Amino acid sequence: KNQVEQSPQSLIILEGKNCTLQCNYTVSPFSNLRWYKQDTGRGPVSLTIMTFSENTKSNGRYTATLDADTKQSSLHITASQLSDSASYICVVSGVKGFQKLVFGTGTRLLVSP
Amino acid sequence: DTEVTQTPKHLVMGMTNKKSLKCEQHMGHRAMYWYKQKAKKPPELMFVYSYEKLSINESVPSRFSPECPNSSLLNLHLHALQPEDSALYLCASSQDPTGGEDYGYTFGSGTRLTVV
Repeated sequence: KNQVEQSPQSLIILEGKNCTLQCNYTVSPFSNLRWYKQDTGRGPVSLTIMTFSENTKSNGRYTATLDADTKQSSLHITASQLSDSASYICVVSGVKGFQKLVFGTGTRLLVSP
Repeated sequence: DTEVTQTPKHLVMGMTNKKSLKCEQHMGHRAMYWYKQKAKKPPELMFVYSYEKLSINESVPSRFSPECPNSSLLNLHLHALQPEDSALYLCASSQDPTGGEDYGYTFGSGTRLTVV
């Protein structure tokens, strides 16, 4: 069964600190993996997207990694800001030719002052 | 324009009402999607339109009726909803539904629907 699991479920960190979120997936065949940031009550906003051949992708203070052999990805947030408080969702696209996404349940991050 | 625009942002409707949600994109994307998201849950796919034709209906109740008038617009018509249908409804679009890597998968900000 195609699944995406994220850990931790929730995380509280102090402003300015770094953190790493984890994503494991069993989706096959694999097309690409995306990380989205979703503020409460808003739509997801894309942070990064990686294909099979990519193992690192950065977007400002966000750096995603992908290990397609172990089917693991991580999202590292550097020098966290209060505005980073949100849910971070790992999404895997498993079928080329049609964009049917498999969503993780997300990590809820709270950055406290 | 790199956005997917959804209106209204908030909607409160009674169980006997008929209302519509609207979604618009001007990125030339040929696939458009409706998702339903309950609190603290990931989005659930409802419908997919590919080149203005309904490609996927994920066994959604008939009280939800999608419509794609043209390649830029997607509507979701609502009728006789139940309180459990209250959720955030997200629209998304992607560039090419027929193959290749799609870097353009974009979500709208959503419509917060409350059924009373």
